[in-house]
Amino acid sequence: QVVLQESGPGLVKPSETLTLNCSVSGVSIASGGHYWSWIRQQPGQRPEWIGYIYYTGATGYKPSLMGRVSMSVDTSTNQFSLRLTSVTATDTAVYFCAGALGATGRFDPWGQGTLVTVSS
Amino acid sequence: DIVMTQSPDSLAVSLGERATINCKSSQSILTRSKNKNYLSWYQQKSGHPPRLLISWASTRESGVPDRFSGGGSGTEFTLTIGSLQAEDVAIYFCQQYYSTPYTFGQGTKVEIK
Repeated sequence: QVVLQESGPGLVKPSETLTLNCSVSGVSIASGGHYWSWIRQQPGQRPEWIGYIYYTGATGYKPSLMGRVSMSVDTSTNQFSLRLTSVTATDTAVYFCAGALGATGRFDPWGQGTLVTVSS
Repeated sequence: DIVMTQSPDSLAVSLGERATINCKSSQSILTRSKNKNYLSWYQQKSGHPPRLLISWASTRESGVPDRFSGGGSGTEFTLTIGSLQAEDVAIYFCQQYYSTPYTFGQGTKVEIK
């Protein structure tokens, strides 16, 4: 059973950088197959896909976030990460990590999510 | 971006009755070469992440009760809950994975009448 768990600060100041990690258990990221995504959801809103990363380091990002977003993968710790720079209050959301198998956007499983608030 | 639009925004159905949710995409999400629709349905309960119920428009995921079914092709899709149970109260989202950026519908809230 593949299980994902997000970690990172719950509060980030405006203009600073949001960094989150996702720990994967139950499968080795290095085995390939899965694409690993970050998805966020503002309260009462639809989920918003941020981007994905493959174990090779190949990435795909939402165009409107390009320039602020980057992702990385660490196969030695079986984790992948999200970095979002120059955050504003509109980046406040629950951030989920998710795996996709069979198709890069078919999200299953998901982590439980972590709330990140952007505020001074 | 492909825009996903669901209807209705909410519906209230009696226990044991059928619930139907519609989803339209702004362009076709059918890959003709593979004859596959790149559409998923998710269930999200309060305080929890979305749960994948159906992928490829009509393939029910392992462990999903058979009262959930998906249909449609091209640009119009449906999720049907054949006999609503109390535990089905949730928000349901459709999502296309035909092309990036992957996009979700605005959600349909299902309640008990």
